[in-house]
Amino acid sequence: AQKVTQAQTEISVVEKEDVTLDCVYETRDTTYYLFWYKQPPSGELVFLIRRNSFDEQNEISGRYSWNFQKSTSSFNFTITASQVVDSAVYFCALSEQNTGGFKTIFGAGTRLFVKA
Amino acid sequence: DVKVTQSSRYLVKRTGEKVFLECVQDMDHENMFWYRQDPGLGLRLIYFSYDVKMKEKGDIPEGYSVSREKKERFSLILESASTNQTSMYLCASLRGRAFQETQYFGPGTRLLVL
Repeated sequence: AQKVTQAQTEISVVEKEDVTLDCVYETRDTTYYLFWYKQPPSGELVFLIRRNSFDEQNEISGRYSWNFQKSTSSFNFTITASQVVDSAVYFCALSEQNTGGFKTIFGAGTRLFVKA
Repeated sequence: DVKVTQSSRYLVKRTGEKVFLECVQDMDHENMFWYRQDPGLGLRLIYFSYDVKMKEKGDIPEGYSVSREKKERFSLILESASTNQTSMYLCASLRGRAFQETQYFGPGTRLLVL
């Protein structure tokens, strides 16, 4: 059965620290996409990145980087030199080809506190 | 710019009341979704719609119904609100029938049922 696990419920760091948010997924489908979304205090989930199951290249976007490893079914998200504005809830999500995008599975979310 | 709006940010209702949550998207997306978000549980799909007047149950449809009379509007209805429906409700839309597409979310409605 498909599942997304974000084992870290809350993380608290001091500004400028690096922080990694873990995401482990389970799926039987060979074709799927993984996503990260950010939910700031305003409530709206904002898309950060997606990665398909055939592309294990890591990605860096500014202070954000993502490490996708199929061997361990993980799609971890690292924020380098964290800032107060990074404080939010972060969701990892899985979308499988066999559900046509209609049944995206979300993890429970990790709440990140960045203190000044 | 892509936009999903929800009719209320905060709502307080009494047990047994009928509650309507409205969602509107301006992107001409075919698909729309209603989720509820609870601490420790993430987002759970209540219902989705892939076309006007079409709807499908998600993972937790009990106690809810939906309506999609126009492409841009998707309504969530709580026929008789109960305290266990106190939650954050998020609407989303999705273009096409593509599992690789990203969903666009509204700001959410925090519903308190007393």
